[in-house]
Amino acid sequence: EAGVVQSPRYKIIEKKQPVAFWCNPISGHNTLYWYLQNLGQGPELLIRYENEEAVDDSQLPKDRFSAERLKGVDSTLKIQPAELGDSAVYLCANRGGSGNTIYFGEGSWLTVV
Amino acid sequence: SQKIEQNSEALNIQEGKTATLTCNYTNYSPAYLQWYRQDPGRGPVFLLLIRENEKEKRKERLKVTFDTTLKQSLFHITASQPADSATYLCALDEGGGNKLTFGTGTQLKVEL
Repeated sequence: EAGVVQSPRYKIIEKKQPVAFWCNPISGHNTLYWYLQNLGQGPELLIRYENEEAVDDSQLPKDRFSAERLKGVDSTLKIQPAELGDSAVYLCANRGGSGNTIYFGEGSWLTVV
Repeated sequence: SQKIEQNSEALNIQEGKTATLTCNYTNYSPAYLQWYRQDPGRGPVFLLLIRENEKEKRKERLKVTFDTTLKQSLFHITASQPADSATYLCALDEGGGNKLTFGTGTQLKVEL
């Protein structure tokens, strides 16, 4: 079974530029999360999807961040415009069925210069 | 929301010894608690889940305890090996199974 696939793995952009991250979840895993992880910290939830519906986006900074999950499968997280403080790892994760285990992708490492 | 505390300082131990990592939380006891391992440059990987009605859970060289009175979980690695060196994250359920809140993690270094 393929795991959670994220791209790009690494991205360096100048501040005020836009950036987008893509996540391909595990097949059949309906719950999808985007987490933000700063250096030396644990992951922090940005948004949770149940199928194509965003059911918890209370931690998403909506002035510059947006996310979508078309057809309840792949998801995209966008930042526009990026700020220096957005430099971090953006993790996509899945939970499927009745299990409580969350499966993480390898993350997209963003550096804003 | 929960405040989760894990030792911020790295834990250095000798190979073959037992490593013990601590996770403390401040508010209500969650339905379950999870431990993850994270290697540098990688995403977290699930290790163990323990429910509030379970005192202890084991998996090979790993053992997790959950004390709802102390609001604490302990994570043990017995007969530790250099390959066990990583950051270990504690996570608590805050949404009926749909939202995990993570601690900051503790870095473990197992030396020869």
